[in-house]
Amino acid sequence: DAGVTQSPTHLIKTRGQHVTLRCSPISGHKSVSWYQQVLGQGPQFIFQYYEKEERGRGNFPDRFSARQFPNYSSELNVNALLLGDSALYLCASSSRGGNEQFFGPGTRLTVL
Amino acid sequence: GQSLEQPSEVTAVEGAIVQINCTYQTSGFYGLSWYQQHDGGAPTFLSYNALDGLEETGRFSSFLSRSDSYGYLLLQELQMKDSASYFCAVRFGGSQGNLIFGKGTKLSVKP
Repeated sequence: DAGVTQSPTHLIKTRGQHVTLRCSPISGHKSVSWYQQVLGQGPQFIFQYYEKEERGRGNFPDRFSARQFPNYSSELNVNALLLGDSALYLCASSSRGGNEQFFGPGTRLTVL
Repeated sequence: GQSLEQPSEVTAVEGAIVQINCTYQTSGFYGLSWYQQHDGGAPTFLSYNALDGLEETGRFSSFLSRSDSYGYLLLQELQMKDSASYFCAVRFGGSQGNLIFGKGTKLSVKP
């Protein structure tokens, strides 16, 4: 079975631009969470979606938004990119009632 | 505020036992998880404790004391492949997708 997939794997943008990151959860998983991981730090929670509804939001500015589609895949959008947005963006999926989150390989975003 | 504290680095030799501690202060608490992340890789799940006590999974064990807001990960019979970063994470919402991670402990296993 395929694990969590994310695209693209790497991305280079300039300040002020917009970016869309994509995630496909493990088949059967209806929950998707997004995390930002800066080098040398732990992942920081951005959003969680379950059954296409936002179920949690971390301490991130409104420039960050997300949505979940009927097939449970998800997009993370970041507007007006700043240098500080450079990070690894991780997507994780989980099954209902499960305690484990399955992480994708991440998208490495570099903002110049 | 919400915070998790764990040591930044630990070094041990092959075959040894190492304990990685984690203390937490969060506004909500549903359980404590541990994740392993190798350089360049994604975090992978190791364990989850919702109740006080010890959970054992092979060479790894995890402990939780909710009254002390404290937990630890115990790694036994260390192998070189255990060299990685280890993160404790608190599930702070009713849904398991809401995790607050610590900054991570980099474990180096020496021959």
